[in-house]
Order: sequence, then C-alpha cells, then structure tokens
Amino acid sequence: DQQVKQNSPSLSVQEGRISILNCDYTNSMFDYFLWYKKYPAEGPTFLISISSIKDKNEDGRFTVFLNKSAKHLSLHIVPSQPGDSAVYFCAASDPGGYNKLIFGAGTRLAVHP
Amino acid sequence: NAGVMQNPRHLVRRRGQEARLRCSPMKGHSHVYWYRQLPEEGLKFMVYLQKENIIDESGMPKERFSAEFPKEGPSILRIQQVVRGDSAAYFCASSPDYRVRGTEAFFGQGTRLTVV
Repeated sequence: DQQVKQNSPSLSVQEGRISILNCDYTNSMFDYFLWYKKYPAEGPTFLISISSIKDKNEDGRFTVFLNKSAKHLSLHIVPSQPGDSAVYFCAASDPGGYNKLIFGAGTRLAVHP
Repeated sequence: NAGVMQNPRHLVRRRGQEARLRCSPMKGHSHVYWYRQLPEEGLKFMVYLQKENIIDESGMPKERFSAEFPKEGPSILRIQQVVRGDSAAYFCASSPDYRVRGTEAFFGQGTRLTVV
C-alpha cells in the first residue's frame, strides 16, 4: 500500500526555467510533509517542509504547495540550475507521534544548460 | 559538528554470511531511524530506536534482521544469513527529540550492501 506517490520517475528542464515536481498521498491523517534531495552515493538532505495548516511555504528558489482537498503537493524550483539535478523525494511524517517518514519513490530531475 | 556517520560505506557479503551496519548519530541526538532503499524505489522505514530501546520495528523483516542502539557506541543493524534480495542501500537518520514531529531528520551517507 503506497501511501505517498510520485508518479513521474523523471523530469528534464532547461536551466533558468521552472521545475515542478508532484506528489500525491492517500492518508488524510498526514499533517506534515517534507521534500528531500539526494545526489548519487549520498544520503538524502532536507530541502523544505510544509505543515497541513498552510498551503504554501517558500524558501529562496524553492516553494512547496499543498492542496489538502486533492491530497496533492508540489515542489517548485525557480529558476532551475544545473546543480539542482538530483533525485527528489517527497515524504510524509507518520502521524504516530515521532519522526518516522513515509517516502515516495522519487523523481529524478535533470537540469540542462 | 559531525553529521550522521555510517560505516562501512560499501559492504560485500556472500550469501549466508552476516552483515553488520553501523550508525553514529549526530552529537546530541538520541533517536535513530533505519531505512532501506531498494533499486529504483524510495526509502522504506525499518526501525526506530532510542538509547537501549526499540520503539518501532514495524518495518523490519521478521527473520534475520535485528537492530540495537546500546548506551555506549553506535547503532547496529544486523542481517544474518544474507540473501541476494538484501542487496540495497541502508540509510540511518537521527533526530534530537521525538516530540518535535516533522522536523528534518538528518541522514547519513548510507551503506551499500551487495550480496554475491
């Protein structure tokens, strides 16, 4: 039972343009979401998060949008840079009371010049 | 302030051998989570430990896998009698306080286990 889904395994974007990565979830009890970025042979690094009491959170070039009614969130990167090329994981914080994370399968972003 | 340290980075084991993966959390962190990433998949939760206690092992296979986090020393994920299907990247994450839900967990660089 996949509770967090990233349906696009890959995305290719030109440098300077917007990258939009999407994520869907099924459990309405999820109330906190995070995006992690992962380079090959490294561990995931935290990028940005959003609580379910908000519909938008912004940090520099990164913005996460949350649509609770659709159980959908998206990560926008503007402008995209070649260094953004990585795998991006969407994760939900398990409502059980501690920092257990439920990850999507990831989207591989390639930003080309 | 050193990050989460995992070792070894790469581990090759023959079928039937034991694999031991180590994780030292960030300084001041007493909560450790282990995740497994199979090829082309996301990270899957395995176990959550605090010092000397297993809090949630709902993601651990029932047999051959065990984890500990002793009072002194790193957390250990132990896989007995490894099989080819155990080949994966194993990541450890730590956090300072379980009550602070949703804050970022800090991940180590992972151990890539290959079973031949």
